[in-house]
Amino acid sequence: KAGVTQTPRYLIKTRGQQVTLSCSPISGHRSVSWYQQTPGQGLQFLFEYFSETQRNKGNFPGRFSGRQFSNSRSEMNVSTLELGDSALYLCASSLDRVVQETQYFGPGTRLLVL
Amino acid sequence: GENVEQHPSTLSVQEGDSAVIKCTYSDSASNYFPWYKQELGKGPQLIIDIRSNVGEKKDQRIAVTLNKTAKHFSLHITETQPEDSAVYFCAASLFTGGGNKLTFGTGTQLKVEL
Repeated sequence: KAGVTQTPRYLIKTRGQQVTLSCSPISGHRSVSWYQQTPGQGLQFLFEYFSETQRNKGNFPGRFSGRQFSNSRSEMNVSTLELGDSALYLCASSLDRVVQETQYFGPGTRLLVL
Repeated sequence: GENVEQHPSTLSVQEGDSAVIKCTYSDSASNYFPWYKQELGKGPQLIIDIRSNVGEKKDQRIAVTLNKTAKHFSLHITETQPEDSAVYFCAASLFTGGGNKLTFGTGTQLKVEL
């Protein structure tokens, strides 16, 4: 099976712009979670989507949003970019059966805000 | 919310020696504890996980132990090899079948020297 794929892999934006990142989960996986990774804050949970609904949300401002499509693919959007949004954004998918909670991560999208 | 502490932040061992990384968590309700390995330029890769109803789990050179009373869990790597060099993250979550939000430790940079 193909792993989790994320596009684009690298992105450079300027302050005030917005950005959309895409994630394709492992085939058959229905849950998609997003994480932000920075040297200072480490890995932090952004949100999780399941069946096109946001099921869990981390402590990030409303500028960070996401959505999931009927084929389980997910996108996240960051509006009004700030310098501090520079980070590696990771997507993870899981089967989401009652006893299957393992999350598999993609390679990430590295965002640089200038 | 959940808080996970991880020690040490850096660990240097000689090839063939053992490495131990320790984590503590705050939420006694957490029931799932995965360990991830992250190599430069890649997303985290699951190496082993343990559920709260199990005290120890082993997979070849890697083992994880869980002490629910003390709320800590540890990763043990035996017979270390240069390819084990990477950043290792522990995580904790409460999986209820209604979502899975991982709270990560701050990571351990493991260096295996020849």
